[in-house]
Amino acid sequence: NAGVTQTPKFQVLKTGQSMTLQCAQDMNHEYMSWYRQDPGMGLRLIHYSVGAGITDQGEVPNGYNVSRSTTEDFPLRLLSAAPSQTSVYFCASRGSGGALNEQFFGPGTRLTVL
Amino acid sequence: ILNVEQSPQSLHVQEGDSTNFTCSFPSSNFYALHWYRWETAKSPEALFVMTLNGDEKKKGQISATLNTKEGYSYLYIKGSQPEDSATYLCAFIDNFNKFYFGSGTKLNVKP
Repeated sequence: NAGVTQTPKFQVLKTGQSMTLQCAQDMNHEYMSWYRQDPGMGLRLIHYSVGAGITDQGEVPNGYNVSRSTTEDFPLRLLSAAPSQTSVYFCASRGSGGALNEQFFGPGTRLTVL
Repeated sequence: ILNVEQSPQSLHVQEGDSTNFTCSFPSSNFYALHWYRWETAKSPEALFVMTLNGDEKKKGQISATLNTKEGYSYLYIKGSQPEDSATYLCAFIDNFNKFYFGSGTKLNVKP
């Protein structure tokens, strides 16, 4: 199993550009989440999904969109990048049973917005 | 905004020392608490999933306790080794299955 994979690993954008961060898992997990990690602030939940076709907002959803058309994939879209979105982004998944199961993280995407 | 606080922020110990850190969280709407180990340049890895008040979990020399009534969890490392150097994160999960992470305790174990 590849586990949770994320692409790209690094990305530099200009203010106003849009892009999609890709996330995929091959563990047949129902739950998937996107987090951002900023210095001194820990991981903050952006959006999450409890299954295909179902998404919900986390703590810091503004400026991001998600969709979950398949169990495997959970892309994160930045609509119009801003310098405040410079961060490291982590995707994570866990199985049925939600928070009663451990969460598996991808390797992260480091995004810089100029 | 829901606050999950971890203390201390950082800790420097000698090899062989035992150490512990604290995760404080709201005592209402509790569903679960997770502990993660996060090595530099890697992704967080789950250590423990805790759900019941009074839970105690152990993995090797690392153990954790949970008090949901007063809103805290302790992580203990007995006989720290240099390979235990990492940031230890806790996450509070509410009844809506939302995760709230603390900012972590960075442990450095000197040989």
